[in-house]
Amino acid sequence: DGGITQSPKYLFRKEGQNVTLSCEQNLNHDAMYWYRQDPGQGLRLIYYSQIVNDFQKGDIAEGYSVSREKKESFPLTVTSAQKNPTAFYLCASTEDRLQPQHFGDGTRLSIL
Amino acid sequence: AQSVAQPEDQVNVAEGNPLTVKCTYSVSGNPYLFWYVQYPNRGLQFLLKYITGDNLVKGSYGFEAEFNKSQTSFHLKKPSALVSDSALYFCAVRGLNTNAGKSTFGDGTTLTVKP
Repeated sequence: DGGITQSPKYLFRKEGQNVTLSCEQNLNHDAMYWYRQDPGQGLRLIYYSQIVNDFQKGDIAEGYSVSREKKESFPLTVTSAQKNPTAFYLCASTEDRLQPQHFGDGTRLSIL
Repeated sequence: AQSVAQPEDQVNVAEGNPLTVKCTYSVSGNPYLFWYVQYPNRGLQFLLKYITGDNLVKGSYGFEAEFNKSQTSFHLKKPSALVSDSALYFCAVRGLNTNAGKSTFGDGTTLTVKP
C-alpha cells in the first residue's frame, strides 16, 4: 500500500536539543512538504521540496531545517532556535499541482 | 498572494439534515480548490477537488462542493449528515501559477453531527 509514514508518533524535546522528525513516502512523488498545525490556526508551511537536493523555505521556516537527499525521504529538524516547538507536524507529498496532497499521520512534539 | 477563509469555526447539525461548510478564497488567476477532512490525531484525507469544468464537484463519502467564481466560494455540502461525519474540515486553494503546487489552507471548521 502506497503512502506516507511519519515517525515517531510522539516526540519530546529537552531544552537546547535538536530533534529530527522522519517522513518517508513510497508514492514516487517529486514534491514534499512539512506543515505545522496549532489549534485554531490551520496548517502553516515550514519547508517544501520540488525535487531531490532542492528545497525552499515556507512561511515559518525559522528554527527549522530540512534535507532532501533521496526522493523518498524528507526529514525535518527542529532546532533549539525554535522557541515554541510544541505542535502537531504533518508531512505531505503530491504528484503535481493538479493533484491533492497525501498526508502522513503526523508527529506530536512536546517540550519536556 | 493567495488566501482562504472558513468563516465558521464550528458547524452543528442534526443527523439526517443537510450540512454546509463554507469556504471563500482569493487567488490570482484560476484556482485549484480542495477539501480535506481530519480526524483526531490523524493526517488530512482528501475529499474532493475543483480544477475546471462542472461547477458541482462530487467526492468521497457523499460529499459535494459547488464552485462559484463570482462569489469566489467553494462550499462543501452533503444532503444527509451522519454522526461519523463529525471531524475537522479544511478548504485549500492553489493558484495556477503557484510554485511547486503550494497550497494555502483555511483555519478549519469543526463539524459536529448530533444523533
